[in-house]
Amino acid sequence: GENVEQHPSTLSVQEGDSAVIKCTYSDSASNYFPWYKQELGKGPQLIIDIRSNVGEKKDQRIAVTLNKTAKHFSLHITETQPEDSAVYFCAASISRSSGDKLTFGTGTRLAVRP
Amino acid sequence: DADVTQTPRNRITKTGKRIMLECSQTKGHDRMYWYRQDPGLGLRLIYYSFDVKDINKGEISDGYSVSRQAQAKFSLSLESAIPNQTALYFCATRGTGRENGYTFGSGTRLTVV
Repeated sequence: GENVEQHPSTLSVQEGDSAVIKCTYSDSASNYFPWYKQELGKGPQLIIDIRSNVGEKKDQRIAVTLNKTAKHFSLHITETQPEDSAVYFCAASISRSSGDKLTFGTGTRLAVRP
Repeated sequence: DADVTQTPRNRITKTGKRIMLECSQTKGHDRMYWYRQDPGLGLRLIYYSFDVKDINKGEISDGYSVSRQAQAKFSLSLESAIPNQTALYFCATRGTGRENGYTFGSGTRLTVV
């Protein structure tokens, strides 16, 4: 089955700096790569996703890049703010019309220092 | 009301007891999932269901069972709870459209003593 590795496990940045979280996946058939943000006491919330036919996607201060050859994808947060502090999870799945299931990375705890 | 509601939010139970965690959704999604979250391990899939008549085991299904009572309801049971089942449990749903991500509930924190 799919295996997703995520690094780093913790990340501390100064407000205004950029943060980068990296993930690798094992199954070359995976074609859907979402990123989730989990705040304390809440369930994960989708912040951005990318499909394997796209190399990069951006939404305001967050962007995701995908390298299918190397089987890795990254989350980039620019101009970080204290409210970006949370745990971030990457995930991968083989998205089919018959159904799919996500395999998650182990999470990155991001702390943004004011 | 939340799109995905989990009950209870917190539960402490004794070893050997049977316990049921409930999940209901108002999104009209066919696909529902139960995940378990442990520190340092991320979220791991316990069971998933693509429609009312379809139930599938995930990577860590031992010790758990599920019931899909209706499109909107998907419950997780621990037949005989053990301490290493202490964790945060999440229910999630997903629509069938290409742009639909997963929607998670707020979680159930279960402690087995």
